[in-house]
Amino acid sequence: GAVVSQHPSWVICKSGTSVKIECRSLDFQATTMFWYRQFPKQSLMLMATSNEGSKATYEQGVEKDKFLINHASLTLSTLTVTSAHPEDSSFYICSAGQTSGSLQETQYFGPGTRLLVL
Amino acid sequence: AQSVTQLDSQVPVFEEAPVELRCNYSSSVSVYLFWYVQYPNQGLQLLLKYLSGSTLVKGINGFEAEFNKSQTSFHLRKPSVHISDTAEYFCAVTGAGSYQLTFGKGTKLSVIP
Repeated sequence: GAVVSQHPSWVICKSGTSVKIECRSLDFQATTMFWYRQFPKQSLMLMATSNEGSKATYEQGVEKDKFLINHASLTLSTLTVTSAHPEDSSFYICSAGQTSGSLQETQYFGPGTRLLVL
Repeated sequence: AQSVTQLDSQVPVFEEAPVELRCNYSSSVSVYLFWYVQYPNQGLQLLLKYLSGSTLVKGINGFEAEFNKSQTSFHLRKPSVHISDTAEYFCAVTGAGSYQLTFGKGTKLSVIP
């Protein structure tokens, strides 16, 4: 149990285009999803927290108009990088968690999406 | 607020030798503690977690960790490592009742044949 998928796993795009990354909890309902960014050889940095049906809460320094997050259902959250630039190239990882039940208090991570903006 | 310190950025160890990856935390509230493993170009996989109860926690792949409240530590151990254990290991903490994880900077474990 507690499987989280991400799609796509790799994406290469031109500067100025928008990229959408999907995060799905496959076998549980995720009341809360998180989006992280990881630079090479560094730890994960939390970008935002989203609860199903409400607006995401962004961490300080993260542009909410650039990184659009939608948590439309209990199994799906999307991160859209708008007007991507080379500096947005990174490894984006989502995680999901529950507020009750056997998976409570633990985040389960997706496999990550590597974005390269040319 | 919480913080996590992983004292070693890299740990080389010979195959079948024991290993300990160190993690210290600071927090003003009760905490939950986690160890995650990340293989190259992959997301994070939960190794083990401490929420409450026994301070010795056993996880997957033969790893275990001990929560020491007085020393604010949660060190990860394995008695005999394998080549397949080569990966990056992250210690993380969250305050009880909170969801937000605070990660350490990671320890790269390299198992030498």
